Amino acid sequence: QVHLVESGGGVVQPGRSLRLSCAASGFSSTSYAIHWVCQAPGKGLEWVASISHDGRNKYYADSVKGRFTISRDNSKNTVYLQMDSLRAEDTAVYYCARDWGGNSFYWYFDLWGRGTLVTVSS
Amino acid sequence: QLVLTQSPAASASLGTSVRLTCALSSGHGSYAIAWHQQQPEKGPRYLMKLNGDGSHNNGDGIPDRFSGSSSGAERYLTISSLQSDDEADYYCQTWGTGIVVFGGGTKLTVL
Repeated sequence: QVHLVESGGGVVQPGRSLRLSCAASGFSSTSYAIHWVCQAPGKGLEWVASISHDGRNKYYADSVKGRFTISRDNSKNTVYLQMDSLRAEDTAVYYCARDWGGNSFYWYFDLWGRGTLVTVSS
Repeated sequence: QLVLTQSPAASASLGTSVRLTCALSSGHGSYAIAWHQQQPEKGPRYLMKLNGDGSHNNGDGIPDRFSGSSSGAERYLTISSLQSDDEADYYCQTWGTGIVVFGGGTKLTVL
């Protein structure tokens, strides 16, 4: 079976950093673009960032540009989201999702993880 | 600006059908979308990609009870033979290069 598993969430103070991981199993994530999407408590889905299969192309939502960095280590089949200068409004469940398009961005998601909760609070 | 609009809530009885609507913003009426389902306390699940001409491809394991259609700038998700575990939030999603947009979601209650 194919899965994406997020980890690294937790409680962090405003202004601090956290790194999330997204590990793929059952398939090689090296062949896919990967996206991060967040969901604040009781709210809808919001796109955060995306990375191409080879890590060369990265895209960010305006709300996180300059604070979050997406990266990947294809030798570990893992994608990361480095979250710096965290704010209370970043509190959310963070999901990673696989792009349908394989080596190309198709920009819609055919596989989702179960998410990891990030709480930014003093 | 690329925006998707969904009704916040819908309801239908067990065994019947329901149609959910996702409206694309002006100037974006030809865009394709994707539909995702999120059951309570779970991560989202991909249902289908839906093109502007109404053609769609269901995701792996998604039954034919889930179908899509299009009319102008509106995209629809129809769920037939409603089951209790269809009670969920349904999100539409679209995209441009370097941007992804979600609708606000529709909470479906199965009566």
